[in-house]
Amino acid sequence: GENVEQHPSTLSVQEGDSAVIKCTYSDSASNYFPWYKQELGKRPQLIIDIRSNVGEKKDQRIAVTLNKTAKHFSLHITETQPEDSAVYFCAASRGSSASKIIFGSGTRLSIRP
Amino acid sequence: DSGVTQTPKHLITATGQRVTLRCSPRSGDLSVYWYQQSLDQGLQFLIQYYNGEERAKGNILERFSAQQFPDLHSELNLSSLELGDSALYFCASSGRQGSSEKLFFGSGTQLSVL
Repeated sequence: GENVEQHPSTLSVQEGDSAVIKCTYSDSASNYFPWYKQELGKRPQLIIDIRSNVGEKKDQRIAVTLNKTAKHFSLHITETQPEDSAVYFCAASRGSSASKIIFGSGTRLSIRP
Repeated sequence: DSGVTQTPKHLITATGQRVTLRCSPRSGDLSVYWYQQSLDQGLQFLIQYYNGEERAKGNILERFSAQQFPDLHSELNLSSLELGDSALYFCASSGRQGSSEKLFFGSGTQLSVL
């Protein structure tokens, strides 16, 4: 069945450095790729998303890139800050309903002071 | 605040019992989703309702059931509870025009089965 693999499962970076989280998906019909951030004890929140007709999208310090050929997409966080510490989930879906969203297993990002 | 309301925030119960979790979606959203998140685990999709009808089913146990009412709020019923059912249960909603794929999560119900 459809699958989304996410790497790494844990990531520790020095404050101010960049962090990259990578995901691959199996369903070639996937056309929507959101990223959710879940702070400790809080709910997941959508931070950025990209559609299959776009190769890259930026929002301040975060960016997402998509390689449809390789079925691979990544989250890039630059100039990391303590408040970036959280679990990040990638996801892929097709169609117009969120019920077809497949989540990755999550990456726990820790920012070292 | 996502606009999705979940109650209760915490629930402590014993094995074999039955509990009901409640969710009110964002105003205008027709879809409600239920997810289970065990300790340090990912988001496991349980079930989706759209405008009162079941739309999609995930890894939901037969001991669990859900429904969506005419006012669009939803309830997740968990019965014959086991220790392994202890988890954070999230409700999410979507469906507002132009954002049907974006999920907005509630704050979750932390269920502890003792």
